[in-house]
Amino acid sequence: AQKVTQAQTEISVVEKEDVTLDCVYETRDTTYYLFWYKQPPSGELVFLIRRNSFDEQNEISGRYSWNFQKSTSSFNFTITASQVVDSAVYFCALRAYNTDKLIFGTGTRLQVFP
Amino acid sequence: DAGVIQSPRHEVTEMGQEVTLRCKPISGHDYLFWYRQTMMRGLELLIYFNNNVPIDDSGMPEDRFSAKMPNASFSTLKIQPSEPRDSAVYFCASSPRTGWEPQHFGDGTRLSIL
Repeated sequence: AQKVTQAQTEISVVEKEDVTLDCVYETRDTTYYLFWYKQPPSGELVFLIRRNSFDEQNEISGRYSWNFQKSTSSFNFTITASQVVDSAVYFCALRAYNTDKLIFGTGTRLQVFP
Repeated sequence: DAGVIQSPRHEVTEMGQEVTLRCKPISGHDYLFWYRQTMMRGLELLIYFNNNVPIDDSGMPEDRFSAKMPNASFSTLKIQPSEPRDSAVYFCASSPRTGWEPQHFGDGTRLSIL
């Protein structure tokens, strides 16, 4: 069975703080794909990043960085120097190689206060 | 490039009425997915299509729900008769293929059944 766990339901930080959103996944497949999506208060779901199971290289995009560790089945997301505009619900998702369905976590609501 | 287009953005109707939600996927995308998002149940996959053919409708909650994809550029999700518990945000997403490719979401339809 496949599962994505985002244990942090809600996180509140003050602007300029660094924050890490945790994502732990479960799958028996050796080939799989991981995704992060952002849902701002306006409601749309925005794709942020994808990773395949053979690529454990971390990625940095501006203030955003992602740490993929197969040993701990984690795909964590860090925002450096957070800003109010980062306030959103962030979803981690998993898809196995031989399936079409995307398995979403329950999301982490991030609130960044000025 | 135009993204996934959903209409209407908001719908308020009375219990018992028929509701039709519409979706135009990104051109060239072979897969189309319908999701429902509620506070209690999070993001749920209702049904998805590949090349206009329904592949898995196991997430459709009841016979009151139906979905069609008459051509590659249009899909509908219909609820008849509607009930207050159907109130949710309904998202449509498309992808060129599954696996590595992310799903791209529309802005959603916020449905309120009174």
